[in-house]
Amino acid sequence: DGGITQSPKYLFRKEGQNVTLSCEQNLNHDAMYWYRQDPGQGLRLIYYSQIVNDFQKGDIAEGYSVSREKKESFPLTVTSAQKNPTAFYLCASSIGGPNTGELFFGEGSRLTVL
Amino acid sequence: DAKTTQPPSMDCAEGRAANLPCNHSTISGNEYVYWYRQIHSQGPQYIIHGLKNNETNEMASLIITEDRKSSTLILPHATLRDTAVYYCIVRVAYNNDMRFGAGTRLTVKP
Repeated sequence: DGGITQSPKYLFRKEGQNVTLSCEQNLNHDAMYWYRQDPGQGLRLIYYSQIVNDFQKGDIAEGYSVSREKKESFPLTVTSAQKNPTAFYLCASSIGGPNTGELFFGEGSRLTVL
Repeated sequence: DAKTTQPPSMDCAEGRAANLPCNHSTISGNEYVYWYRQIHSQGPQYIIHGLKNNETNEMASLIITEDRKSSTLILPHATLRDTAVYYCIVRVAYNNDMRFGAGTRLTVKP
């Protein structure tokens, strides 16, 4: 089935550790996104990528890093510089282009820092 | 990009129409209005989008005012499964920057 796969679904980490969240899509979409969601809040954009080897910062990029070496993959690294990393992280993709803001989302990764 | 303003919460009786407003008074001529919804900790789901004209699909209708400064998402016959947070987003054509606000929490009551 076509879709977006995020892993792991749940992740625990100690303070001071970097952690990488995986996002893979087989929809042949050009654009990919990472969002963060805190309890009771809306989604906030961390990074997005419109094509391979290119990405732009969103509203809350500090403490995060991404790469886009392959069209299918857009991993997010939560670094130790992120002050409050415990959150729900959502990855999405879209075809891109002028009239296609339809995003397809993964099931999310819930990160807890102990 | 234009910002949007939505009421934080709304209630609707089951079987009645749910009308969710969105204000985007600074929208530009090349910006589309998109609506998504998020059901409890799932990824948001695309509902509908439009530029100037009203749009309808199997899920909902989108009514955009003539001056394009506001829009309304209409769920014609709300069911309990429509209880969710609804997000209104304005997006520039050719720009993949999609930013969600706080949305409107719609509660459909029996």
